[in-house]
Amino acid sequence: QKEVEQNSGPLSVPEGAIASLNCTYSDRGSQSFFWYRQYSGKSPELIMFIYSNGDKEDGRFTAQLNKASQYVSLLIRDSQPSDSATYLCAVARNYGQNFVFGPGTRLSVLP
Amino acid sequence: GAVVSQHPSWVICKSGTSVKIECRSLDFQATTMFWYRQFPKQSLMLMATSNEGSKATYEQGVEKDKFLINHASLTLSTLTVTSAHPEDSSFYICSASPFAPGLAANNEQFFGPGTRLTVL
Repeated sequence: QKEVEQNSGPLSVPEGAIASLNCTYSDRGSQSFFWYRQYSGKSPELIMFIYSNGDKEDGRFTAQLNKASQYVSLLIRDSQPSDSATYLCAVARNYGQNFVFGPGTRLSVLP
Repeated sequence: GAVVSQHPSWVICKSGTSVKIECRSLDFQATTMFWYRQFPKQSLMLMATSNEGSKATYEQGVEKDKFLINHASLTLSTLTVTSAHPEDSSFYICSASPFAPGLAANNEQFFGPGTRLTVL
């Protein structure tokens, strides 16, 4: 079992719709969870992080964490074509800072 | 704030040569720096973690004698790919964190723009 799993996609949504990206992880001791966006040929850029169960909202983005289910998701409201990218879920290991990245989900927002 | 730079942004070299990549935190002191490698259509794979003034910790399967990491100051870490071969061609990305391991749960890493290495 991979440590962090994501659907590879591509996930296609129409402009203005809600995009839902999912991530599961295997290490129950994981402390913090990050969502990064990566455009082709570029390095990842942080969207948001979450470390408590529940929802965390930042603009059009909402991260949801359920530690009991070992599940973290990212919702993008009012999706725009500029949101088309690969979204990486990263999980910080217990007692450390090392990230384990998921394989990423490619999102395509259709105009 | 929290800007990380890498140099060079891309490099092409002949097989057998060594290549040095620099990672700098421009506006903060990086207690810890991380080096990742990303092959096309794959996710980031952590290669090693380095703390200023101490030896890097390499991930399993990463040859420490081939990928030399030096973190000589709180703002600079270097990765040297020694005797590079075509299979080392990849996108190398560094990240930096102002925190020491274990100090904070929301331990954000700030990523550099990456270095694309092509070995002919």
